[in-house]
Amino acid sequence: DIQMTQSPSSLSASVGDRVTITCRASQTISTYLNWYQQKPGKAPKLLIYARSTLEGGVPSRFSGSGFGTDFTLSISSLQPEDFATYYCQQTYTTPWTFGQGTKVEI
Amino acid sequence: EVQLVQSGAEVKKPGESLKISCKGSGYNFRSVRIAWVRQMPGKGLEWMGVFYPDDSDSDITYSPSFQGQVTISADNSITTAYLQWDSLQASDTATYYCARMETRRDAFDIWGPGTMVTVSS
Repeated sequence: DIQMTQSPSSLSASVGDRVTITCRASQTISTYLNWYQQKPGKAPKLLIYARSTLEGGVPSRFSGSGFGTDFTLSISSLQPEDFATYYCQQTYTTPWTFGQGTKVEI
Repeated sequence: EVQLVQSGAEVKKPGESLKISCKGSGYNFRSVRIAWVRQMPGKGLEWMGVFYPDDSDSDITYSPSFQGQVTISADNSITTAYLQWDSLQASDTATYYCARMETRRDAFDIWGPGTMVTVSS
């Protein structure tokens, strides 16, 4: 199985901060890397697919980059509604696997 | 509107069977894969398996972690996917999400609201 490791596991930030979350795969996954946002008690929401393509309706302050084994999710200017847990996921090969999550707190 | 509607919360005893559902609407059900994802209380997301409801045949791929533990199925005529257990254990207590996986994105673009399953004696 491909292991996905996110860092940090949690972070504290303020409104307006730039935030970067990293995701490392245990082997190359090309660009088959997706990012999800999950708020408490809610289903996850797709933010970015194929490493860097924003899902429709997702604000442009979110961006993704990387290739191979190392990827990042950036939020350029953190907004109150962005406080949530973020997960990366690889769909390069089954079993599709998620990172352990990064909780973004105030 | 494209949506996935899941069945309601369940409370079961160990050893009981259970089948939960996920009904797709607003899109061609046969053309898009449906995946199941587990989230145990306070924990992360785990992919369980995926169903391919194409026109000719249906194919299911399970995560090795869940192979033999659950059964994924679907009834295309009512655009509904299912996840079932023959004998629940306390460790099955979790929220289960179905999610649509459109081929163009290779990502889970639409999620159901989740079904919370509690297994307790």
